[in-house]
Parts: sequence; structure tokens; C-alpha cells
Amino acid sequence: GQSLEQPSEVTAVEGAIVQINCTYQTSGFYGLSWYQQHDGGAPTFLSYNALDGLEETGRFSSFLSRSDSYGYLLLQELQMKDSASYFCAVRDGGFNKFYFGSGTKLNVKP
Amino acid sequence: KAGVTQTPRYLIKTRGQQVTLSCSPISGHRSVSWYQQTPGQGLQFLFEYFSETQRNKGNFPGRFSGRQFSNSRSEMNVSTLELGDSALYLCASSLEHGELAYEQYFGPGTRLTVT
Repeated sequence: GQSLEQPSEVTAVEGAIVQINCTYQTSGFYGLSWYQQHDGGAPTFLSYNALDGLEETGRFSSFLSRSDSYGYLLLQELQMKDSASYFCAVRDGGFNKFYFGSGTKLNVKP
Repeated sequence: KAGVTQTPRYLIKTRGQQVTLSCSPISGHRSVSWYQQTPGQGLQFLFEYFSETQRNKGNFPGRFSGRQFSNSRSEMNVSTLELGDSALYLCASSLEHGELAYEQYFGPGTRLTVT
């Protein structure tokens, strides 16, 4: 079966850095995605890692270690608008079959 | 480019009824996936369609079905509704080929309430 583990909730202050971890166990693995979802909104794509290492996109970075079945999303210079739920998702197979974690609710405080 | 659209946005049904949800992907996107989202459960994969064919299926009972039309629009159907089917149903589209095929674009979802 497939399982993804991520913290249920994280709190940080504006301007700080926060890391959201994701560990996974899947029968097949092609890559790890991260999505952001604001309350009442649709998930929006943030990043995708197919290879080990760090990918940086503006204030957000994502890391993958395939040997450790582990990845993380790093958010820098936190802003109030970053308060949202963040989901990691494993791409299982070459087609678009994704398994999502239960999500991490990030609370950014002033 | 218009985003993914889903209709209806909200729906209230009674146990035992059936329901059909619709999804129009972004123009040019040929892959459509469906997810069920419930509080604390994250998104659970239902199925994925490409070129009118179901390519992948998640672990849901046969009451959940779908189809895709030649214009890539997709519908999902849930028969004999149960209270536990109350959820947000999300549709996502993506490109089939190329490096960006992993990036999924989600619609706003259909909020289904079963009473």
C-alpha cells in the first residue's frame, strides 16, 4: 500500500522560515509534489522533485531524498498569506496517479 | 487561458440517490483526474482519464465511476449515495506529455452533501 506522513499542524511567525516534512512508503515512485490549499480554495501546484536534491522557486524550496523516502518543503520569509494547508503527493507510476498526504496546516502569526 | 471548471459547485442529495459531477479541463489538457477530499483525509485519488480511457483507478467501490468525452470533458458518477460520500470532489487536469505533465491544475471542486 501507500502511506505518506506529514505533520498535521505547524505554527510560525511572519518573516521566519518553516520546514514541512514528508515521509512516504509507496510501491512505485516517480516523484514528489507539493501543493498549497487555502481554506475554501483549490489546491495549487508548488513544486515537483523527481531527483534527489533541492529545487528552489522564489521563497519556496523543495527537497527530496529517494534513498530515505523523505522530502520537505521549505518556506522562507513567511508572510501572512502563506497560512494554508500544504500537501505532499507521490507520483506513482509514469501516468498521473498521485497519492496525497493528509496535509499540514500552516498558521503564520504576526 | 481559462482554468478548470467544475459544475455544480454545491449539491445536496439524499442517501440512495445518484449524482453526476462535471469537469471541463484547461484547453489542451487531455488528462483528467478526480479526487475526493474529506477533513483530515487529504485528497484521495479516484481515477484518471486520458483519451476517453480510464488509465488509473484508486481504491473506491464500484459505485464510483467516470467517463471522459472526446473533448476531454469528464464526468464522475456516484450511485446509491451514502452519508460517507459527503466530501469535496476535485477535478484536476494536466498535460499528457512533456516535462510539465506532473503539474496538475485543480478546479474549485463540487461540495457534495448527502443527507
